[in-house]
Amino acid sequence: GAVVSQHPSRVICKSGTSVKIECRSLDFQATTMFWYRQFPKKSLMLMATSNEGSKATYEQGVEKDKFLINHASLTLSTLTVTSAHPEDSSFYICSASPSGTQETQYFGPGTRLLVL
Amino acid sequence: SQKIEQNSEALNIQEGKTATLTCNYTNYSPAYLQWYRQDPGRGPVFLLLIRENEKEKRKERLKVTFDTTLKQSLFHITASQPADSATYLCALDSGGNNRLAFGKGNQVVVIP
Repeated sequence: GAVVSQHPSRVICKSGTSVKIECRSLDFQATTMFWYRQFPKKSLMLMATSNEGSKATYEQGVEKDKFLINHASLTLSTLTVTSAHPEDSSFYICSASPSGTQETQYFGPGTRLLVL
Repeated sequence: SQKIEQNSEALNIQEGKTATLTCNYTNYSPAYLQWYRQDPGRGPVFLLLIRENEKEKRKERLKVTFDTTLKQSLFHITASQPADSATYLCALDSGGNNRLAFGKGNQVVVIP
């Protein structure tokens, strides 16, 4: 149980294009999902908290207009990297907390984004 | 400033021995602390959660301690196996709403 999927697993895009990443909780409902970014040999950095049916809460320094988050249902959150640039190349990971068990987060397998 | 520190050097350990990892933090007052395992190119996998009022937690061959005075958590893998080779991440509650702050992780290599 407690499986989280991400799609796509990797994506290569040209600079200036937008990329959408999906995060799904497959066997549980998640009121809250989180989006992280991880650069090589660095720690996971929380980007934003995604709440079902409401606006996402962004961490300091994360541009909300660049990283659009939509959490339209209890099993799906999407992150759209708009007008991507090479410096946005990174490993994007989502996590989901089962409704009612707030402290435990189950992570997706991650999405490798390369912007050329 | 806030810091979460894990040893940057990989821990090489003989199979069957106990691996011990350290997580030190500064300028946090976490209500709980978690440990995760991460394999290359994969997302973290939750292992254990320990709360601020708990001294020790165990799960199978894993043991975690939490000392809020020292601001330190120790993570032990007993009877280590080659399959335990991975990077282990310390994460702590960073001020509410279940937001986590992660350390960089500590790689463990178990030698057969």
